[in-house]
Amino acid sequence: EPEVTQTPSHQVTQMGQEVILRCVPISNHLYFYWYRQILGQKVEFLVSFYNNEISEKSEIFDDQFSVERPDGSNFTLKIRSTKLEDSAMYFCASSVQGARLAPEAFFGQGTRLTVV
Amino acid sequence: GENVEQHPSTLSVQEGDSAVIKCTYSDSASNYFPWYKQELGKRPQLIIDIRSNVGEKKDQRIAVTLNKTAKHFSLHITETQPEDSAVYFCAAFSSGGSYIPTFGRGTSLIVHP
Repeated sequence: EPEVTQTPSHQVTQMGQEVILRCVPISNHLYFYWYRQILGQKVEFLVSFYNNEISEKSEIFDDQFSVERPDGSNFTLKIRSTKLEDSAMYFCASSVQGARLAPEAFFGQGTRLTVV
Repeated sequence: GENVEQHPSTLSVQEGDSAVIKCTYSDSASNYFPWYKQELGKRPQLIIDIRSNVGEKKDQRIAVTLNKTAKHFSLHITETQPEDSAVYFCAAFSSGGSYIPTFGRGTSLIVHP
């Protein structure tokens, strides 16, 4: 069964450093998403991406965040200058169609980001 | 914006019992309501969903009901098994403005053998 894969599974970084979280969506999917889940809290939407541009973004997704699809398979989330409060599990997801038509998204296994 | 409240935060049942998890939402424009199961250390997985033009949907031991008037939807699991133990999240997608999900805080379901 096709899966969304994320690397690394765990990333430890120092405050102020840049991190890039990587995702490989399911190959025939066209819509890509990033979510985060602070330990013990709810899953929060960050951003959706389609046709090489951001479709939607939440208030959390400020200027410190950026997304990119550098090639035909990878989808990345960059945090420019990490803060302690960025520590969370970050989930990538993808879907065949856009949210308004088919919101069903498949999640990756997550990257646990720890900012020290 | 949308606000989703989920109750209870923890639910402990005996194997074979039924479990019910409830969510309320605030935005009457919300029209899609998925439920996710997240086992410890694993990814959230969609287990069932319901759209606003449907009142109830069932898939084997799992069912979801939606009351649009009261703005609440519930997950029902019958004949619970230990492998049902996980955190369950509800979400609501609002058709007004940005179509992004708002999640509930999650319910930790523990099924005792």
